[in-house]
Amino acid sequence: AQSVTQLDSQVPVFEEAPVELRCNYSSSVSVYLFWYVQYPNQGLQLLLKYLSGSTLVKGINGFEAEFNKSQTSFHLRKPSVHISDTAEYFCAVSASNDYKLSFGAGTTVTVRA
Amino acid sequence: DAGVTQSPTHLIKTRGQQVTLRCSPKSGHDTVSWYQQALGQGPQFIFQYYEEEERQRGNFPDRFSGHQFPNYSSELNVNALLLGDSALYLCASSLALGAQETQYFGPGTRLLVL
Repeated sequence: AQSVTQLDSQVPVFEEAPVELRCNYSSSVSVYLFWYVQYPNQGLQLLLKYLSGSTLVKGINGFEAEFNKSQTSFHLRKPSVHISDTAEYFCAVSASNDYKLSFGAGTTVTVRA
Repeated sequence: DAGVTQSPTHLIKTRGQQVTLRCSPKSGHDTVSWYQQALGQGPQFIFQYYEEEERQRGNFPDRFSGHQFPNYSSELNVNALLLGDSALYLCASSLALGAQETQYFGPGTRLLVL
């Protein structure tokens, strides 16, 4: 079975500052990794995903994430946040022999002016 | 191109009742997954439907059942509702090619059980 731990439940950040959201996973088989964003009262939107190849993945809205197999991590970063980045962020994992997504508990990002 | 749609958006039921939630997948998608998201938590996988069959199931009791129709739309049924079933129910659609395929989520149905 796979599991995901998001190390920060809440991250307050000032506008135009950088942000990093930490995600660790565990799995006995190879995995695919995803970051989703959920704006208030909405469903989840894919930010980016890692399937294979380059460990640095670029996504939408200026986000990027780095896959580190030895540390079983997939941290999400943005160099300069906007007020509109205020949302809940979920890290998710799917095993290569599986169909479901397993999600972390989420990180609430609050961007202040 | 319409994305994933779900109905209704909100629902209030009482304990012991039954509920049916509906989902229409994104155009071109043939696989539908259902997730339960309790307040303050990440989504939990309920089950996935492909070719009108339940392909994989999460750790949910038999009170949770589903169906997929020939047009790929899907229903989630929950019987004998409990207070703990109050949650946001998310439907996601994808192509059937495998775990690497992106799952596209609908806006969800918020269920409140009183």
